Amino acid sequence: GQSLEQPSEVTAVEGAIVQINCTYQTSGFYGLSWYQQHDGGAPTFLSYNALDGLEETGRFSSFLSRSDSYGYLLLQELQMKDSASYFCAVKYYGNNRLAFGKGNQVVVIP
Amino acid sequence: GAGVSQTPSNKVTEKGKYVELRCDPISGHTALYWYRQSLGQGPEFLIYFQGTGAADDSGLPNDRFFAVRPEGSVSTLKIQRTERGDSAVYLCASSFQPGLAGPILQETQYFGPGTRLLVL
Repeated sequence: GQSLEQPSEVTAVEGAIVQINCTYQTSGFYGLSWYQQHDGGAPTFLSYNALDGLEETGRFSSFLSRSDSYGYLLLQELQMKDSASYFCAVKYYGNNRLAFGKGNQVVVIP
Repeated sequence: GAGVSQTPSNKVTEKGKYVELRCDPISGHTALYWYRQSLGQGPEFLIYFQGTGAADDSGLPNDRFFAVRPEGSVSTLKIQRTERGDSAVYLCASSFQPGLAGPILQETQYFGPGTRLLVL
């Protein structure tokens, strides 16, 4: 089947590090994307991994391992504004749709 | 405009009514997508346009749902005979044409703020 699994919620303090995992069951896709969505807001692109390995963008890093069908988003030096839902998404071969996971809500506390 | 815009921001209707949701993509983006998002879930794909044509409408749940993009810019999602189960946030996204931009640009979809549809 084709599905993306993400744990549901995590709470962390300002300055901490949070890792959000994404496991998937699919054979062919172009890459793994991560989107951030604040309550009531639009999903916003954060990061994209086409190849295995780590991509770093400021405080956020994303990792992909196709052999393990696994990826993660790493949020470092957490800030209050990072409180949001984070979604992983893949674009499967043969179409241009994004298939999203259910998302992981991150709550940052002082 | 600077980003994807969607109107109305909120729509309340009665079961059985017809609704139209509008999306204005980023200028120059030839790809346009509609998604539906229920509470606590990720966006669910509905339909994808490349230019004026629907390149993939396999996500439309049934024939009550229809979308058009007559001039390759603005798109309208139309829902006939609305049902309570249609209540959700309808998101529109646009992007550069896949295959013509660098990998990051072509993979980045820019989302609008959504239309919150409530069917009573």
